[in-house]
Amino acid sequence: AQSVTQPDIHITVSEGASLELRCNYSYGATPYLFWYVQSPGQGLQLLLKYFSGDTLVQGIKGFEAEFKRSQSSFNLRKPSVHWSDAAEYFCAVGAFSSASKIIFGSGTRLSIRP
Amino acid sequence: DTAVSQTPKYLVTQMGNDKSIKCEQNLGHDTMYWYKQDSKKFLKIMFSYNNKELIINETVPNRFSPKSPDKAHLNLHINSLELGDSAVYFCASSQKPGTSRGNSPLHFGNGTRLTVT
Repeated sequence: AQSVTQPDIHITVSEGASLELRCNYSYGATPYLFWYVQSPGQGLQLLLKYFSGDTLVQGIKGFEAEFKRSQSSFNLRKPSVHWSDAAEYFCAVGAFSSASKIIFGSGTRLSIRP
Repeated sequence: DTAVSQTPKYLVTQMGNDKSIKCEQNLGHDTMYWYKQDSKKFLKIMFSYNNKELIINETVPNRFSPKSPDKAHLNLHINSLELGDSAVYFCASSQKPGTSRGNSPLHFGNGTRLTVT
């Protein structure tokens, strides 16, 4: 069965510091991978997605993620965080199938230290 | 020009009542979903409809009944509300999975916070 693990429940980084949020997945076929961000009281917004091709994916707001098949990982990175990046981040996995459902990880809450 | 809109934003009701949440998308997507987010922020899919046809039905109590009058709308009706139904319910839409490669990301509404007292 497919699953997504985000091992870090809560991370705090200083403004201007680099960030890496971890995501590991378990999937029987080639996965489609996503990162979403949720600000308080808001819905989820897509940051980036990986379907195939280049394993380093660029997203919005300066985020990027790298797909590593050998490690079953899809970690999210940003070289320098801004206070406005404080939010909940969700990794998700899906498949190219008519009955596909996208499965979400449990989320990582990011706090920014001034 | 809201893409996925759901109403109401907040819903406070008593146990045993029946309530509905409405969702509409103007993205031209074929597939719509309901997700439930619990107090620990865990997101779990409930239902998926493609062009008014039920595709995914997770293990959800049959007190929950989705209704899709057309492919742009997916409403959620909940009968006999229970305390454990308190959560944030998100509507989402996407292109039909398995067709337009690369177009299956979900577009979410802003959620409906349901509180059952």
